Amino acid sequence: EAQVTQNPRYLITVTGKKLTVTCSQNMNHEYMSWYRQDPGLGLRQIYYSMNVEVTDKGDVPEGYKVSRKEKRNFPLILESPSPNQTSLYFCASSSTPNTEAFFGQGTRLTVV
Amino acid sequence: AQSVTQLGSHVSVSEGALVLLRCNYSSSVPPYLFWYVQYPNQGLQLLLKYTTGATLVKGINGFEAEFKKSETSFHLTKPSAHMSDAAEYFCAVSESDSWGKLQFGAGTQVVVTP
Repeated sequence: EAQVTQNPRYLITVTGKKLTVTCSQNMNHEYMSWYRQDPGLGLRQIYYSMNVEVTDKGDVPEGYKVSRKEKRNFPLILESPSPNQTSLYFCASSSTPNTEAFFGQGTRLTVV
Repeated sequence: AQSVTQLGSHVSVSEGALVLLRCNYSSSVPPYLFWYVQYPNQGLQLLLKYTTGATLVKGINGFEAEFKKSETSFHLTKPSAHMSDAAEYFCAVSESDSWGKLQFGAGTQVVVTP
């Protein structure tokens, strides 16, 4: 089954404690991206990757890092989380940016 | 740079009534336009998309949308609402000459009443 898998689904952490949210896709897609969803703001793009070792900033990259060492995986790293990063995070993949994006189930992060 | 405006953050419709969700965009180049739906506690899934060609696009679950270049709009409609249509709907735009820039609207929450 074609899917994008994020882990964990729920995470509560404390300010400053580094964390990683994993994302994996099994569709051999070149394009992957991370979004955060906040009420009234829709989804905002954090980072995207066009292929292995090729990443670029989206609209809200501050406080986040990503890496793309393998085609299937695109982890999101918060080196020093802060409460304003409390949000619902989605990973997505597509064959190109202008075709259908497949989304993971989301990761609800709370930073206290 | 592109942007998306969805009119109405909440819409309430009666079961069997017309569903109309409005989306306007701005883009400096020919856009690719999308509607996604998000059911509770789930990720987004594609309803329909416009890339080129026919301006009336049909999607899943009886939804359709019409691309109107002169009005820079891409409104989503469904003739008869079903209870299962209760969800949040997002309009999104991508510019044809950009890599990686999928811009979403703020979303419209649809409530269907019996």
